[in-house]
Amino acid sequence: DTGVSQDPRHKITKRGQNVTFRCDPISEHNRLYWYRQTLGQGPEFLTYFQNEAQLEKSRLLSDRFSAERPKGSFSTLEIQRTEQGDSAMYLCASSRLLAGANTGELFFGEGSRLTVL
Amino acid sequence: KQEVTQIPAALSVPEGENLVLNCSFTDSAIYNLQWFRQDPGKGLTSLLLIQSSQREQTSGRLNASLDKSSGRSTLYIAASQPGDSATYLCAVSEISSGSARQLTFGSGTQLTVLP
Repeated sequence: DTGVSQDPRHKITKRGQNVTFRCDPISEHNRLYWYRQTLGQGPEFLTYFQNEAQLEKSRLLSDRFSAERPKGSFSTLEIQRTEQGDSAMYLCASSRLLAGANTGELFFGEGSRLTVL
Repeated sequence: KQEVTQIPAALSVPEGENLVLNCSFTDSAIYNLQWFRQDPGKGLTSLLLIQSSQREQTSGRLNASLDKSSGRSTLYIAASQPGDSATYLCAVSEISSGSARQLTFGSGTQLTVLP
């Protein structure tokens, strides 16, 4: 396993369409995160899974956004009725829960860049 | 609310120079601090992770320090090379019960090393 994998790398869509991104984390990592990054800014936290449970969601994650991790392995992030303001890089990261600690080092994928026309 | 600031926003240096990138955070109750590198259009590559109990971490030509009480971290790059050109991001993970300990990022420092 060479790292966190995201698909597709680029997506161009028209406003109002639905899009779905997929993330495959590093195989032994039980924590998975989604972040969003706009040009010139650092990434912003969207949501987090521990195994298959979605344990935290940011206020940035509107009702049009839904994330799943059905079997505790890969995850999907769906955006319904896309808006131009959704244009951004969507980054997935994973980490391994360390014994006696609540987080370890985060490893990021290459990201999925969304452009909404 | 935690805020992370990185100064300068952009830096250009000649090859071979040693340089320091700065990161400050407003809430010193952090769990760890991580430095990342990001190339244009790419994802983030983890460089160094410093736990709150540590003062510094080193990896090759990189050295990161942490002063939790003053809310500061620095990333020192020795003998810079053109291949070091990228955006460097600092991120902190906070102490918060029940939290995912997600990272709060700065906006980054865009480094250009001139040959």
